[in-house]
Amino acid sequence: EPEVTQTPSHQVTQMGQEVILRCVPISNHLYFYWYRQILGQKVEFLVSFYNNEISEKSEIFDDQFSVERPDGSNFTLKIRSTKLEDSAMYFCASSEREWGENEKLFFGSGTQLSVL
Amino acid sequence: DAKTTQPNSMESNEEEPVHLPCNHSTISGTDYIHWYRQLPSQGPEYVIHGLTSNVNNRMASLAIAEDRKSSTLILHRATLRDAAVYYCILRDEASGGSYIPTFGRGTSLIVHP
Repeated sequence: EPEVTQTPSHQVTQMGQEVILRCVPISNHLYFYWYRQILGQKVEFLVSFYNNEISEKSEIFDDQFSVERPDGSNFTLKIRSTKLEDSAMYFCASSEREWGENEKLFFGSGTQLSVL
Repeated sequence: DAKTTQPNSMESNEEEPVHLPCNHSTISGTDYIHWYRQLPSQGPEYVIHGLTSNVNNRMASLAIAEDRKSSTLILHRATLRDAAVYYCILRDEASGGSYIPTFGRGTSLIVHP
C-alpha cells in the first residue's frame, strides 16, 4: 500500500535555529497536512495545503512556521527560529480529495523534533 | 473535539472482541463518522468510516446507531498489536470553510495477553 514518507525520523536542533521537516505524500494526493503531538498530549492540527496555497491554519501556525511544496513530490514544514516548546512529534498527512466526507487521511510515521 | 465523547480507556483480553463506543449527539445528517487509531510511537492510522449503514473492512466493523447519535467500533478478535489510542472523529469546519480532522483524547485500548 502506498505510504507517506517523512524524513528525518529524529531531528535535534539548538534553540533559535531553523529546521526543515520533509514529507513525501502519496503520489496522486492533492491535499496535504501537518500535525504535531507534544509528548503525552493530543494530536494537534497545524496547517492544510492545497493547490500550492494554505487552505487552513491553526493558531499554533504562526509567522515562525511556513510550508512549501518545492517540487512535485515533497512537502516541507519550516520552523524559522525554533523554541523549546516546538519540541514535538510532527506528522505529515495527505489525502486524494478534501477530507470531510468519504475520504481517508494517510499519515506518515512522524519526525521527532527535539529543541535543546 | 467536544463533538464526540469516548471513554478514556478500555481493557480487553487477547482474542476477545472489543467494542469501543463513541457518542456524537450533535452529529449532522451529512457527517461521516471516522475512526483512526494511533499505535505507540506511530502516526495516526485510518481504521474505518461510515455514514448510516454498518461498515466492515479487514481491520474492524463500525456499527452506527439508527439515530446516528452514537457508534461503536468493533474489533472482532483483539490482538496485542491492537493496543493503541482509538479516535472517533467527525468533520470539523475550520475558519476558512475547509474540513479538517480534529483529534480528541480518544480511547486508550489495553490488550492483555
